[in-house]
Amino acid sequence: GAGVSQSPRYKVAKRGQDVALRCDPISGHVSLFWYQQALGQGPEFLTYFQNEAQLDKSGLPSDRFFAERPEGSVSTLKIQRTQQEDSAVYLCASSPDRGLLTNEKLFFGSGTQLSVL
Amino acid sequence: DAKTTQPNSMESNEEEPVHLPCNHSTISGTDYIHWYRQLPSQGPEYVIHGLTSNVNNRMASLAIAEDRKSSTLILHRATLRDAAVYYCILGGATNKLIFGTGTLLAVQP
Repeated sequence: GAGVSQSPRYKVAKRGQDVALRCDPISGHVSLFWYQQALGQGPEFLTYFQNEAQLDKSGLPSDRFFAERPEGSVSTLKIQRTQQEDSAVYLCASSPDRGLLTNEKLFFGSGTQLSVL
Repeated sequence: DAKTTQPNSMESNEEEPVHLPCNHSTISGTDYIHWYRQLPSQGPEYVIHGLTSNVNNRMASLAIAEDRKSSTLILHRATLRDAAVYYCILGGATNKLIFGTGTLLAVQP
């Protein structure tokens, strides 16, 4: 496909479980972003990769959240010991070069809806 | 990060123009003005962005005030598929898009 792909589309976890959310960016895109969107709110920035380097992780809410992009393409957002407040839609976006720094638009996936019971 | 202010909601009739306002009085000289929209159950979608001059593309037009403290997204002929939340965002100095709560646009047939 030509767009950003995220899987799974829906994830239900019991409180305390670990989850892993996958993002396949558009092929060749250098920059990759993760956002968290709570119900009724706008997306909030979590972290940013340029190729395999995680250049900004200032938005990760706690050390239970971890993101990686080991080969500079697919990225995984991992949440350990999930809590109810982690329930949200997790969005991934990519851009061809350095994103906003090079005046580019971001391409978003449809997100993974995480529900923690 | 500079903030934007948008109305919570707006209504339009199908095939009529829609003007979505955004105030950004604390904008810096290097901030671009970005507009994204989000349809139900989808991720945000890029609409348009600009720095100082008005911009046009196939989706919309962006009118930027001379002092850059406000801007207006113009949909020339609203369709039912334009019903979405529209976000006005300032960015460029960093690689973060700081979303607010946006404007929920309802389009009536």
